Amino acid sequence: AQTVTQSQPEMSVQEAETVTLSCTYDTSESDYYLFWYKQPPSRQMILVIRQEAYKQQNATENRFSVNFQKAAKSFSLKISDSQLGDAAMYFCAYRSDSSNTGKLIFGQGTTLQVKP
Amino acid sequence: NAGVTQTPKFRVLKTGQSMTLLCAQDMNHEYMYWYRQDPGMGLRLIHYSVGEGTTAKGEVPDGYNVSRLKKQNFLLGLESAAPSQTSVYFCASKGVEGGNIQYFGAGTRLSVL
Repeated sequence: AQTVTQSQPEMSVQEAETVTLSCTYDTSESDYYLFWYKQPPSRQMILVIRQEAYKQQNATENRFSVNFQKAAKSFSLKISDSQLGDAAMYFCAYRSDSSNTGKLIFGQGTTLQVKP
Repeated sequence: NAGVTQTPKFRVLKTGQSMTLLCAQDMNHEYMYWYRQDPGMGLRLIHYSVGEGTTAKGEVPDGYNVSRLKKQNFLLGLESAAPSQTSVYFCASKGVEGGNIQYFGAGTRLSVL
């Protein structure tokens, strides 16, 4: 069974600086998708970024980028120029491409604090 | 755009009471999911549906039942609530196309006393 691990329960960053959130996963599959979701205090789950495993190029969305290391089964999220609005809980998630269920497997989450 | 709507947003139950959480999506999505979120454990899948009239068990299905009589609605039922079911519940939906992205509702905070 696949698992997702986020080993940093809490992180903090100074406003305008860069922070990296870690995520590792375990799978025997070669095709899959990885996601980072943001959950602000409002509880709404917001998709931040998505990566297809067959793509070698790291995904980027404005200030958010990932470092996808398929062999190491690592999928870290880098937030550049951190803003106060980035403060939230961040979840890493895995989705198998071989199953037609679309189920997501989530990590435990990392709470990010942004200091002014 | 409404997206995924969950009702109610908050609820307090006594042990042994029953209730139904409603999830409605207006995106014509085939797939729908119910997750629960507990501190330090991320989101865990309770039940899911790959189409109207179908349901399947997820990772933590015990104590819950679901129904998908209409494509746009996915109901989560607690027949006899227990304190262990105190949690935040999220519904999500996903289309066949659209990059395999799940869209989430705003969550329901449930407390069982």
